[in-house]
Amino acid sequence: AQTVTQSQPEMSVQEAETVTLSCTYDTSENNYYLFWYKQPPSRQMILVIRQEAYKQQNATENRFSVNFQKAAKSFSLKISDSQLGDTAMYFCAFMKHVNSGGSNYKLTFGKGTLLTVNP
Amino acid sequence: KAGVTQTPRYLIKTRGQQVTLSCSPISGHRSVSWYQQTPGQGLQFLFEYFSETQRNKGNFPGRFSGRQFSNSRSEMNVSTLELGDSALYLCASSLEAGTGNTIYFGEGSWLTVV
Repeated sequence: AQTVTQSQPEMSVQEAETVTLSCTYDTSENNYYLFWYKQPPSRQMILVIRQEAYKQQNATENRFSVNFQKAAKSFSLKISDSQLGDTAMYFCAFMKHVNSGGSNYKLTFGKGTLLTVNP
Repeated sequence: KAGVTQTPRYLIKTRGQQVTLSCSPISGHRSVSWYQQTPGQGLQFLFEYFSETQRNKGNFPGRFSGRQFSNSRSEMNVSTLELGDSALYLCASSLEAGTGNTIYFGEGSWLTVV
């Protein structure tokens, strides 16, 4: 079974600064996907960024980027130029590759990191 | 394009009752999954449906069940409610398994059991 660990329950950052959220995972799979989801107070889970394990290049989406270290099983999220709207709970999630029509298609989540951006 | 729609958004039930939650996936999405979110246990996978078939089930008692209709809409049911069933229930949809298709979430249904 896969496990996802987020070691920082809470973090805070000043507006316009950069912050990095940590995530480690444990799996015996070689082909999988990693995600960061954001859950603001509205509770809607919003995809921030995704990474395919077979890609060495780190994913980037505007101010959000990841540092994917496959051998270390580490997947951290860097938020640059933090904005007040970034205040939310951030979840790291793992999904093993499942062939089309296959079962076991699910996300395994970490416990989350509550990020507060201060003005 | 409309997102994942869940109804009702909020509900209060009494212990021993049963509840049904509904989920309409994004148009064209055939995979629907359900997750339970609680402060203590975090986000836990309940089950996943594709083409009206349950393909995977999480570690929950048989009181938790679901189904999917031919239009991909899904319902989950919890019978004989317990206080510990109080949670946010999130529905998610995606095109289908394979190639790590992105899973999109609804806003959730808040269930309070008193």
